Amino acid sequence: NAGVMQNPRHLVRRRGQEARLRCSPMKGHSHVYWYRQLPEEGLKFMVYLQKENIIDESGMPKERFSAEFPKEGPSILRIQQVVRGDSAAYFCASSSGTSGTAGQETQYFGPGTRLLVL
Amino acid sequence: QKEVEQNSGPLSVPEGAIASLNCTYSDRVSQSFFWYRQYSGKSPELIMSIYSNGDKEDGRFTAQLNKASQYVSLLIRDSQPSDSATYLCAVNGYGQNFVFGPGTRLSVLP
Repeated sequence: NAGVMQNPRHLVRRRGQEARLRCSPMKGHSHVYWYRQLPEEGLKFMVYLQKENIIDESGMPKERFSAEFPKEGPSILRIQQVVRGDSAAYFCASSSGTSGTAGQETQYFGPGTRLLVL
Repeated sequence: QKEVEQNSGPLSVPEGAIASLNCTYSDRVSQSFFWYRQYSGKSPELIMSIYSNGDKEDGRFTAQLNKASQYVSLLIRDSQPSDSATYLCAVNGYGQNFVFGPGTRLSVLP
């Protein structure tokens, strides 16, 4: 399966612990995006990364959240000292980055990680 | 602040009818427009993309774009119960970041 992969699919953490969410983009894709979806709400953009670069992190909370996309391996969204309000579904999407026209990249989504903070 | 608006619904249509889903956006420089379908507890899946004014058809789905009115719609012909889901409108400008609308819940009644 060459689709976007995310793990774990479900993650339970206690308040104050760290959560690490992983995303492997679709084969041939070099751009990764992270979104958060609260229950009964829409998708909120968090961060856009290319290999070894954060392109846009305008949607990331200023504290406790960080993201990386190393040269080798998956992209990681890290949440430190989780609080109950962090409970949500976190989706990763990827695109090829090869569109000849800016703004016409299609994003394909992974299955998501459901984070529950107790 | 870029905004994308959709009626939250639920929109209920009988099986076999046409479902019409609407989306408006605030950023005039938006370049590309996407419709995603999301079943409860699942991830969004792409239905259609549209970049130019007019209609684009794919099977039972037709996307309509009017940049002057900053309006994009999705028509689903011969609606089926399996079409019951939340439909997300996404808008993209020159950058790569999508702005998603809140989604419209569609319920197709057998």
